[in-house]
Amino acid sequence: DVKVTQSSRYLVKRTGEKVFLECVQDMDHENMFWYRQDPGLGLRLIYFSYDVKMKEKGDIPEGYSVSREKKERFSLILESASTNQTSMYLCASTGTANTEAFFGQGTRLTVV
Amino acid sequence: QKEVEQNSGPLSVPEGAIASLNCTYSDRVSQSFFWYRQYSGKSPELIMSIYSNGDKEDGRFTAQLNKASQYVSLLIRDSQPSDSATYLCAVNKGGTGGFKTIFGAGTRLFVKA
Repeated sequence: DVKVTQSSRYLVKRTGEKVFLECVQDMDHENMFWYRQDPGLGLRLIYFSYDVKMKEKGDIPEGYSVSREKKERFSLILESASTNQTSMYLCASTGTANTEAFFGQGTRLTVV
Repeated sequence: QKEVEQNSGPLSVPEGAIASLNCTYSDRVSQSFFWYRQYSGKSPELIMSIYSNGDKEDGRFTAQLNKASQYVSLLIRDSQPSDSATYLCAVNKGGTGGFKTIFGAGTRLFVKA
């Protein structure tokens, strides 16, 4: 059974903290993605990675960075958390451009 | 202009009716197209994928793709209350080194019993 696992289901952080969201997949997928989902806005792409140490900006990269040191793990970093980064964060992975994306369970992040 | 656009809805249909969901995309180099379903509080899951012009049927679901019009649709026949969810249109397009998957904002569907 394929699996994408995010490290936390719920997270509460203070403004200005450095926040790490971890995502691990066990499908040997090359491509991994980080999205945030807000009501009425759908899934917006933050960053994606097509290989180890390779990353590209998505549509809303400001305030975020990513790390992919191993194929199975893709981390999203909020350098200095702000209240407007309160959101649901979803990680996904896929093997090729013609195959479906598998999602993690999501991390509900609240920045206070 | 958003890369992938959907009517946000909500779309309300009676049980047993056909639900029609539409999506347009802006980039002609987009190469593959997907419909995902997302129940409240859950992650998206794939319903259909389509890569070439025409129709693709899977059970009660039919996806339609028209690349000339940059248009993708999903028809749900014999709609059931369990089909009530948000439906997300997604498009894969090539990037510098790989590809990225772009989602529309989603259409909320309500099927009334």
